[in-house]
Amino acid sequence: DGGITQSPKYLFRKEGQNVTLSCEQNLNHDAMYWYRQDPGQGLRLIYYSQIVNDFQKGDIAEGYSVSREKKESFPLTVTSAQKNPTAFYLCASMGRAQTSGTTGELFFGEGSRLTVL
Amino acid sequence: GEDVEQSLFLSVREGDSSVINCTYTDSSSTYLYWYKQEPGAGLQLLTYIFSNMDMKQDQRLTVLLNKKDKHLSLRIADTQTGDSAIYFCAAALYNFNKFYFGSGTKLNVKP
Repeated sequence: DGGITQSPKYLFRKEGQNVTLSCEQNLNHDAMYWYRQDPGQGLRLIYYSQIVNDFQKGDIAEGYSVSREKKESFPLTVTSAQKNPTAFYLCASMGRAQTSGTTGELFFGEGSRLTVL
Repeated sequence: GEDVEQSLFLSVREGDSSVINCTYTDSSSTYLYWYKQEPGAGLQLLTYIFSNMDMKQDQRLTVLLNKKDKHLSLRIADTQTGDSAIYFCAAALYNFNKFYFGSGTKLNVKP
């Protein structure tokens, strides 16, 4: 079945460590997104990529880094520079925006919950 | 940028209608969405509406858009306990570069 897979589902990190969250999709989607979700707040955009080898900062990119070497993969690294990394992280993808009839539907993974000890 | 706002909680009885409201600030928003999130999971698209529409109905779901007031609502008819979840309103411009999400409304359906 086509979809987006995020791993790990739960991750614990010690302060000062970098961690990488995986996001893989087999939907043949061009665009991929990383969001952060905190209780009582909406989803905030960290990074997005419209095409392979290109990505853009979102609204809260500080302390995070990404790469887009393959169409299927968009890993997110939470660096030690991120002061408050404990959150629920969601990866999403979308088909080509210029596709006829596109509705702009985002397909989400199941999320990764990161806790800093 | 766009600012999307929703109330945080709504509680209804099973069988009643639920109405979840959302406001947005950018009149350029072309596409407006409602997503549902079950506990500990990702979001799933429920329905969407284009800015040139006033209303859209899809089975138990009715979306109303007041473009003048920048107000969007989602009505769920005959609400069931399985509808208990967090509902997010989202807005996007025509190029889909960014999607702006509200804080989510937690719907609690009492039996």
